[in-house]
Amino acid sequence: QSVLTQPPSVSAAPGQKVTISCSGSSSNIGNIYVSWYQQFSGTVPKLLIYENNKRPSGIPDRFSGSKSGTSATLGITGLQTGDEADYYCGIWDSSLNAYVFGTGTKVTVL
Amino acid sequence: EVQLVQSGAEVKKPGESLKISCKGSGYSFTSYWIAWVRQMPGKGLEWMGIIYPGDSDTRYSPSFQGQVTFSADKSIDTAYLQWSSLKASDTAMYYCARVVVPDVTRDYFDHWGQGTLVTVSS
Repeated sequence: QSVLTQPPSVSAAPGQKVTISCSGSSSNIGNIYVSWYQQFSGTVPKLLIYENNKRPSGIPDRFSGSKSGTSATLGITGLQTGDEADYYCGIWDSSLNAYVFGTGTKVTVL
Repeated sequence: EVQLVQSGAEVKKPGESLKISCKGSGYSFTSYWIAWVRQMPGKGLEWMGIIYPGDSDTRYSPSFQGQVTFSADKSIDTAYLQWSSLKASDTAMYYCARVVVPDVTRDYFDHWGQGTLVTVSS
């Protein structure tokens, strides 16, 4: 059972915005930078956001990250059918001495 | 171009041993940690641990400590994940990933291998 909790699924119509939460605790998210990964069905995970809100080269600015307290949020604006995927947050948990992925959220475009 | 290329799919019987590989190219292989990540069928991502190919320093997730062994051969820029006695519950996709560690609070995985599917069945 992950120490980072995400909603199992979120959905919205094309063009709309979705947000995905990643809830942790003061021992992990509270003082650590969060990264986000996108995984299309049957494919390799891809880095989407690092250090809370930075995007690697090639990731469109429709994707954004933020953090407040012990929660982080991934936002996707201008939702496209091509955004349908699983999304995972991840952080280094110093109390577990391990990297932890969130439980994962499936994004569905209605 | 940074690439991590993993060995091909494996089908094994319970009790057999296995070693899968992850070969890096396009960067200084000995200067970055390599992580191993498990994904069981229909499930999420699980961090197994990391190895630093420069000196083979390893860190295991408590969940995988004693169950698997990481190694690396820096002469051929390759990291390995091995099992001495497979179980049916080891059936999963295994990914290697390059770890970027600006400092201990900021690490993330910027490049991933294509994955190695391991199937353990009698």
